[in-house]
This record gives sequence, structure tokens and C-alpha cells, in this order.
Amino acid sequence: NAGVTQTPKFQVLKTGQSMTLQCAQDMNHEYMSWYRQDPGMGLRLIHYSVGAGITDQGEVPNGYNVSRSTTEDFPLRLLSAAPSQTSVYFCASSPQGGRYQETQYFGPGTRLLVL
Amino acid sequence: GQQVMQIPQYQHVQEGEDFTTYCNSSTTLSNIQWYKQRPGGHPVFLIQLVKSGEVKKQKRLTFQFGEAKKNSSLHITATQTTDVGTYFCAGPSTSGTYKYIFGTGTRLKVLA
Repeated sequence: NAGVTQTPKFQVLKTGQSMTLQCAQDMNHEYMSWYRQDPGMGLRLIHYSVGAGITDQGEVPNGYNVSRSTTEDFPLRLLSAAPSQTSVYFCASSPQGGRYQETQYFGPGTRLLVL
Repeated sequence: GQQVMQIPQYQHVQEGEDFTTYCNSSTTLSNIQWYKQRPGGHPVFLIQLVKSGEVKKQKRLTFQFGEAKKNSSLHITATQTTDVGTYFCAGPSTSGTYKYIFGTGTRLKVLA
């Protein structure tokens, strides 16, 4: 199993450009999520999904869109990039997600720089 | 809103010294997880604690969940250079069943 994969590894955007960060998992996990990591702020949840066709907002959703058409894929879209979105983005998955929390498996991350 | 803070933010230790990081939540947590992130890497799950006062050990690492389930600690005995990284705690968010909130992290540097 490849686990959780993310592409690209690095990306430089200009303000106002759009792009999609890709995330895929081959573990048949229902729960997938996107986090951003900024210095001194830990990991903050952007959006999450509990299954195909179901998504919801996390802590910092503004400026980002997601969709979940298949169990395997959970892309994150930046509609109009802003310098404040410069960050490291991690995708994660777990079998079901839920009240009793499950181990989350993280992808290798995407480093995004917005000029 | 709910906050999960970790102290210290940074810690430099000599190899062989002990290290402790503390995780403090503004709300009671049903469980808490710990993750390790190596420099340039991604978070990797270490352990989950569920019971009040629970203590778990993994070789040189000791994890504790507070009696009130609002704080937790990770203690590393006799640090090694392989312990370098950032340690995060994480717990269920009070704003939703499927939301998780991570602590601010403690970055550990081990000097050989």
C-alpha cells in the first residue's frame, strides 16, 4: 500500500491564481481531511469528509473548496490564492473518524508559496 | 473557543538528558493522541490515551493523561538524536464529532 499520497510536493503561485492540491489514499478509509501547518500554530483543520459525497468545514475553511467523488480521492482547491495561504498542507485519512478518534495517517505534505 | 496549548514551544537538550512536553486543553477531552513529526516530514501517530490518569510506555517514552482529562504529558528518558522533531498532542474538537484539534507542538532539538 502506498498509504496517503499528495501532489505536488512544492508549488509556487502568484496572488490570484488557482490550483488544486491532490490527495489520494489506498487504504479504503472513509474519513479524509486537510490541515495546514504554520510555524507556532500546529495543525489546523481546513475541511474534512466522512465518506464519498460528504464534506464539511473545519477550523479554517475560508478560501478553500473540497469535493469527495470517490473514497480514494480528496482534492483541495484554492480558488484565488493569497499570500496568507502560504503554508504546508497535509492530507490525512483514518478508517472512519469519529467520537473515539482513530489514528490519522498523514501524507507527505505540499509546500505552497504564494507570492 | 477550544484551545490546546503545549509547553514548551522549543526545547534543546544534550543527548542523554530527559525531556518533557506538556499538553493543556481548555476543555475536557474524551481521549488524546500524540504524534511525532521529524524535520521536513509528516506527523506520525505515536499513541492514544483514553482513561483518566492513564499511563502508557513505549520504550523510553512515557505518556500520561491527567485525572481531569484536560492535560497530558510526554516524557522521554535519556534522549537520543533520533528523538529530534516536533511532538503534537491532538484531541476531539468540541465543535463537531469528526473534528480534531491539534496542540501547538513542542520542537525538540537534541545536541550530540
